[in-house]
Amino acid sequence: SQQGEEDPQALSIQEGENATMNCSYKTSINNLQWYRQNSGRGLVHLILIRSNEREKHSGRLRVTLDTSKKSSSLLITASRAADTASYFCATDTTGGFKTIFGAGTRLFVKA
Amino acid sequence: NAGVTQTPKFQVLKTGQSMTLQCAQDMNHEYMSWYRQDPGMGLRLIHYSVGAGITDQGEVPNGYNVSRSTTEDFPLRLLSAAPSQTSVYFCASSYSTGTSGLYEQYFGPGTRLTVT
Repeated sequence: SQQGEEDPQALSIQEGENATMNCSYKTSINNLQWYRQNSGRGLVHLILIRSNEREKHSGRLRVTLDTSKKSSSLLITASRAADTASYFCATDTTGGFKTIFGAGTRLFVKA
Repeated sequence: NAGVTQTPKFQVLKTGQSMTLQCAQDMNHEYMSWYRQDPGMGLRLIHYSVGAGITDQGEVPNGYNVSRSTTEDFPLRLLSAAPSQTSVYFCASSYSTGTSGLYEQYFGPGTRLTVT
């Protein structure tokens, strides 16, 4: 079974709009990470947020973490066609080294 | 730095054949892992290693073996290939913070395996 569940499964927006993706997980975590995957490629790390952090920013990316609700969100502001990709959340469970990935959100940004 | 490299890029096997997928990293990372990705799904952890000589099972270890004799290399062996093992396989590496979990993982380009 997968730890992380992303919502929505797919998202289509216009260039310049903001994109928000959500991730829910089941067990206590050390940290939560977001990755991007372009079609047919390996995953690229975007941002890591630790369990004692609530919000992090990196360029046009903003990630929030609510450990009480076991959920996280990724916001991409002012989206570009190049942001078209699949986005995955991944969690490291407390006390272990097993990184568990969600099924991903497929984002399509129309030019 | 080459980062994480995987060979081969593509492979077709017949049911029952065995093979080894190669993975190497040149970043001196303690942690290495293997994932499989099936269509429309996220990655599922097969096996991982926290250092040379230390390996452990992930979510879906059956049918796969690993070993870690050096820091750089982490090969994945398919013992007797089955059609259910048709997938894209990714190797990744990372620094480990010990009890505080992992840093970002660096992924290889993947191996696309088809078992007929």
